Amino acid sequence: KNEVEQSPQNLTAQEGEFITINCSYSVGISALHWLQQHPGGGIVSLFMLSSGKKKHGRLIATINIQEKHSSLHITASHPRDSAVYICAGNAGGTSYGKLTFGQGTILTVHP
Amino acid sequence: NAGVTQTPKFRVLKTGQSMTLLCAQDMNHEYMYWYRQDPGMGLRLIHYSVGEGTTAKGEVPDGYNVSRLKKQNFLLGLESAAPSQTSVYFCASSYYGAGTGELFFGEGSRLTVL
Repeated sequence: KNEVEQSPQNLTAQEGEFITINCSYSVGISALHWLQQHPGGGIVSLFMLSSGKKKHGRLIATINIQEKHSSLHITASHPRDSAVYICAGNAGGTSYGKLTFGQGTILTVHP
Repeated sequence: NAGVTQTPKFRVLKTGQSMTLLCAQDMNHEYMYWYRQDPGMGLRLIHYSVGEGTTAKGEVPDGYNVSRLKKQNFLLGLESAAPSQTSVYFCASSYYGAGTGELFFGEGSRLTVL
């Protein structure tokens, strides 16, 4: 069982819909990253969270360390949001920041 | 400001050949990482560096070597390529480290070993 589980694995939405992607982890973590990867493209960091909530444009990320859960929300989704979204948790205890990655959520937004 | 640049972007090798992937960052970051991404496996850490002159093994280091002679560059070498090393390779860097700081990724290098 992967220590970091994302749901859903695949998500299809219509333009304008509100989208939620969930990330749950089985071990305690001190920080969590949300990453975006467009098809055939590079990886972009969206958020790094250790508590509470962060917002950037139409993207909102929340984390509850005690409940071992984080969510990524996209408001007013757009076809350009179509990408793979990856969460990655850091359990601490290393000098370099070992990350455990989720399998990714494939998001497709139709016009 | 280029961020993180990887070269080459694509490469096809024959089994047994050697090659080097170069990662360059212009953000004065201490921490640099090499990951590989395979279908169904997610990202896995190959090697990492916490500063100039230092390198260490990650989760899947076998068959790879690295060097960080200059702070801005992190090289990943394959001495004798194998088909199992067909993958997309990503370099990343961070000022504070992935545990507490933002990660900046390169565009990826797609390697095929025949």
